[in-house]
Amino acid sequence: DAGVIQSPRHEVTEMGQEVTLRCKPISGHDYLFWYRQTMMRGLELLIYFNNNVPIDDSGMPEDRFSAKMPNASFSTLKIQPSEPRDSAVYFCASSPEGSEQFFGPGTRLTVL
Amino acid sequence: SQKIEQNSEALNIQEGKTATLTCNYTNYSPAYLQWYRQDPGRGPVFLLLIRENEKEKRKERLKVTFDTTLKQSLFHITASQPADSATYLCALEKAGTALIFGKGTTLSVSS
Repeated sequence: DAGVIQSPRHEVTEMGQEVTLRCKPISGHDYLFWYRQTMMRGLELLIYFNNNVPIDDSGMPEDRFSAKMPNASFSTLKIQPSEPRDSAVYFCASSPEGSEQFFGPGTRLTVL
Repeated sequence: SQKIEQNSEALNIQEGKTATLTCNYTNYSPAYLQWYRQDPGRGPVFLLLIRENEKEKRKERLKVTFDTTLKQSLFHITASQPADSATYLCALEKAGTALIFGKGTTLSVSS
């Protein structure tokens, strides 16, 4: 199995632009999680899905952030408009049962 | 709100010694706790899960304890090796599925 796949691996954009991060979970995993990691705040859960349905989005910082999971093999995290404080590494993780989580390699986002 | 603290940001030990990392939490009673390893530039990798009714769990050179009275978990690596150098993250279960992560302890093992 290829593991969790994220794209792009690196993204540099200018403030105000729309950013879309993509994730393909491990096949057969029912749970998908989006995290953000910074030095200051550590690894923070943004939102998670169970069987493609958003369960808890309380970690989404504000309305500029949105996430979708149109099917079991694909999810997106969108930031519109982006701001410099959104610069971070964004991780996607999937889980078969909601306990042990398998993380992707992350997307390093830089907003200038 | 739930708070999780890993008591040291960095730990330096010599090869062959036992590394002990601490995770403390407040304002919560998690059903389970997990430990992950993260190498620079990579995503966290799951190591161990311990449930609230388990006192101790082992996997090869790793051992985790979970004291729900003290609200503390200890993570031990015995006979440490330079390859064990990484950041180790403690994570608490939140509402059955989600995890709250500590900021991690960076372990450096010197030969």
